[in-house]
Amino acid sequence: AQTIHQWPVAEIKAVGSPLSLGCTIKGKSSPNLYWYWQATGGTLQQLFYSITVGQVESVVQLNLSASRPKDDQFILSTEKLLLSHSGFYLCAWRPRDNQDTQYFGPGTRLLVL
Amino acid sequence: GQQVQQSPASLVLQEGENAELQCNFSTSLNSMQWFYQRPGGSLVSLFYNPSGTKHSGRLTSTTVIKERRSSLHISSSQTTDSGTYLCALEHPSNTNKVVFGTGTRLQVLP
Repeated sequence: AQTIHQWPVAEIKAVGSPLSLGCTIKGKSSPNLYWYWQATGGTLQQLFYSITVGQVESVVQLNLSASRPKDDQFILSTEKLLLSHSGFYLCAWRPRDNQDTQYFGPGTRLLVL
Repeated sequence: GQQVQQSPASLVLQEGENAELQCNFSTSLNSMQWFYQRPGGSLVSLFYNPSGTKHSGRLTSTTVIKERRSSLHISSSQTTDSGTYLCALEHPSNTNKVVFGTGTRLQVLP
């Protein structure tokens, strides 16, 4: 069975500090991977997607970047956090052929002060 | 860009009542997905429905592409159904691009 793990579970960070959020998928080779962000009370927004190692496409620019260093790993990062980065970050995977739903991780809650 | 509106924004039911949640979109799509967002924030997939009607237990999803709408019907609601229901559509020419709706917050009272 496939499992998706996100880390950390929650984080409190200072404005201007760096950030790195991780996502790992086990039990599925070559998945399509996605990052989403949701402000408190807001709509879920897609940030990035990746269909293969080393290849990441940006959907919404929020002064964040993403990388896929391994087939089963997706990293979201920034060198300088903004207050507006606060919210809930979700990672998701999907089979390569996209003929199925997306499966979401448990999420990371981020508070920037 | 693609716009996805859900209605109602919120809904309060007595346990046992039925609910009809709507999702309307502005342009064409490749497929529609429905999710349940738990109070803690994680998402559970309910349906992947490119078109037509699908059933799962007390839930029914119907997508009518030419009318640009999808619905989620919940029958005999239970208190455990409380939470937020989200629809999401895939871009017609890039199925890796997904736009989520604004959500319907459902509260089922005992």
